[in-house]
Amino acid sequence: DVKVTQSSRYLVKRTGEKVFLECVQDMDHENMFWYRQDPGLGLRLIYFSYDVKMKEKGDIPEGYSVSREKKERFSLILESASTNQTSMYLCASSFAVGERSYEQYFGPGTRLTVT
Amino acid sequence: GENVEQHPSTLSVQEGDSAVIKCTYSDSASNYFPWYKQELGKRPQLIIDIRSNVGEKKDQRIAVTLNKTAKHFSLHITETQPEDSAVYFCAASPSGYSTLTFGKGTMLLVSP
Repeated sequence: DVKVTQSSRYLVKRTGEKVFLECVQDMDHENMFWYRQDPGLGLRLIYFSYDVKMKEKGDIPEGYSVSREKKERFSLILESASTNQTSMYLCASSFAVGERSYEQYFGPGTRLTVT
Repeated sequence: GENVEQHPSTLSVQEGDSAVIKCTYSDSASNYFPWYKQELGKRPQLIIDIRSNVGEKKDQRIAVTLNKTAKHFSLHITETQPEDSAVYFCAASPSGYSTLTFGKGTMLLVSP
């Protein structure tokens, strides 16, 4: 069974704090993704990584950065949290074979509240 | 970039009825179209997917159809059951990328 885990289910931070969200997958997947999910807006891609130390911006990267030092771990960083970053954050991973897309496996999500 | 529109945003049916959710996409180079189901408080999970070289795919009570010319694809659920109640997301993947662009979701409510 594929397992994608996230470091916290719920997190409360203050405005201006630096926030780290961590994601770990155990399937040796090359691709990893960070999304945020907001009511009525679906899932929006923040950043993705197709290999260790590689990263690409998604549709809404502003205010976020990422780190992938090991293949199984992908971190999302909010350098200075703001209230408009209050959201559900979902991590996902998938195989990569050439340029074909494959099923993405999601983590349980982290509900982040910035006060 | 790719844009995916999904309709309706909410759908209420009686148990045993059929449900249809429709999506359109903008990038004619997109070639992979998955559907995810997200139950309340749970993570999204893939329920069915289709690639652009196939027009229709079925898996028991669910089916997906793809019309490349019109750039739209649909999810069909027959004989709905209360456990089908969830939010359903369609997505499209542009050729040459392994990313997905998601629709905004459809909340399906199946009443007993």
